[in-house]
Amino acid sequence: AQSVTQPDIHITVSEGASLELRCNYSYGATPYLFWYVQSPGQGLQLLLKYFSGDTLVQGIKGFEAEFKRSQSSFNLRKPSVHWSDAAEYFCAVGVELVGGGADGLTFGKGTHLIIQP
Amino acid sequence: DAGITQSPRHKVTETGTPVTLRCHQTENHRYMYWYRQDPGHGLRLIHYSYGVKDTDKGEVSDGYSVSRSKTEDFLLTLESATSSQTSVYFCAISAGAREQYFGPGTRLTVT
Repeated sequence: AQSVTQPDIHITVSEGASLELRCNYSYGATPYLFWYVQSPGQGLQLLLKYFSGDTLVQGIKGFEAEFKRSQSSFNLRKPSVHWSDAAEYFCAVGVELVGGGADGLTFGKGTHLIIQP
Repeated sequence: DAGITQSPRHKVTETGTPVTLRCHQTENHRYMYWYRQDPGHGLRLIHYSYGVKDTDKGEVSDGYSVSRSKTEDFLLTLESATSSQTSVYFCAISAGAREQYFGPGTRLTVT
């Protein structure tokens, strides 16, 4: 079974500073990888996804993530954060079953991002 | 935004009562999922469906049942609610083993 680790429960960043949120996964092959963002009281919004190909993927809101197979990592980055980026961020992995089917995603426990003025 | 609605959005119920949560989609996606979100645990899969009348268990399925009689609706039932089932419940949909899109959530409190 796959697993996801987000080592940082909370991260505080000054507005305008760069951001990197860490995600490590455990799976025998290359899974599908995702980052979601959740604002307080809201559902989850997909930020970006990796299936195959170019290991640097671009997402919405100026976010990007890099897949590093050797480190089993999929870290999320943003060059300059805005106060509106304050939220909970979740890394998730999924696998394609034999025959092309799908079951649920496995989520990390989340990283709470705080933006200081 | 993906067309996913959940009802009710908030519910307070007493221990031992049955509760049914509804997820409705307008995207005609094959796969539908129920997750629960608890502080410190992220989201955990309860059950999922890969077609009408086709369902399977997830990581935390004990105490929950599901049904899917139409492509657009996926019901989650707590046969006898317990305080440990106080949580926020999210429905999600997908076209396959790719990205999932989430509903707004249902906050359930069991007293």
